[in-house]
Amino acid sequence: DAGVTQSPTHLIKTRGQHVTLRCSPISGHKSVSWYQQVLGQGPQFIFQYYEKEERGRGNFPDRFSARQFPNYSSELNVNALLLGDSALYLCASSFTSGSTDTQYFGPGTRLTVL
Amino acid sequence: KNQVEQSPQSLIILEGKNCTLQCNYTVSPFSNLRWYKQDTGRGPVSLTIMTFSENTKSNGRYTATLDADTKQSSLHITASQLSDSASYICVVRGGSYIPTFGRGTSLIVHP
Repeated sequence: DAGVTQSPTHLIKTRGQHVTLRCSPISGHKSVSWYQQVLGQGPQFIFQYYEKEERGRGNFPDRFSARQFPNYSSELNVNALLLGDSALYLCASSFTSGSTDTQYFGPGTRLTVL
Repeated sequence: KNQVEQSPQSLIILEGKNCTLQCNYTVSPFSNLRWYKQDTGRGPVSLTIMTFSENTKSNGRYTATLDADTKQSSLHITASQLSDSASYICVVRGGSYIPTFGRGTSLIVHP
């Protein structure tokens, strides 16, 4: 079975633009979470979705939004990009949204904002 | 404020040696604590998960301990291998859906 897949792998944008990142969970997994990992730091939680509903939101501005589709894939949208949005964006899937459920991470999308 | 502090920030050891990584947290209430291994350019992979009642859990050469009273955890790596070179991240979950990640310990194993 394929693991969590993310696209694109790398992306370069300029300040003020918007970006859409995509994630396909492991087959059978109904929960998707998004994380931002700035170089040299641990991941920061952005969103969690389960069964197409938002279950949790981290401390990120409204420029960040996400959604989950009926096939459980997910998109993360970031508007009005800032230089500080440059980071590795990780998607993780799990079978449920339970706190003890193992999350499986994708390889990430490396976003560079110039 | 929920926080997870890891030490050391980085560590260099020789192949075959043992090492111990530390994690202190202030997350409350406590649900569980995970250790992840993150290879460069890849997503984290779960090594162990520990709940409140568990003191020790092993996964091959990795052994995690948890002291819920002092809110400390450690990850011990035995007989290190070159492939152990990675960042090791401690993640604590409390009562909400939001996990708190540490900054990670960067481990380099030299031949």
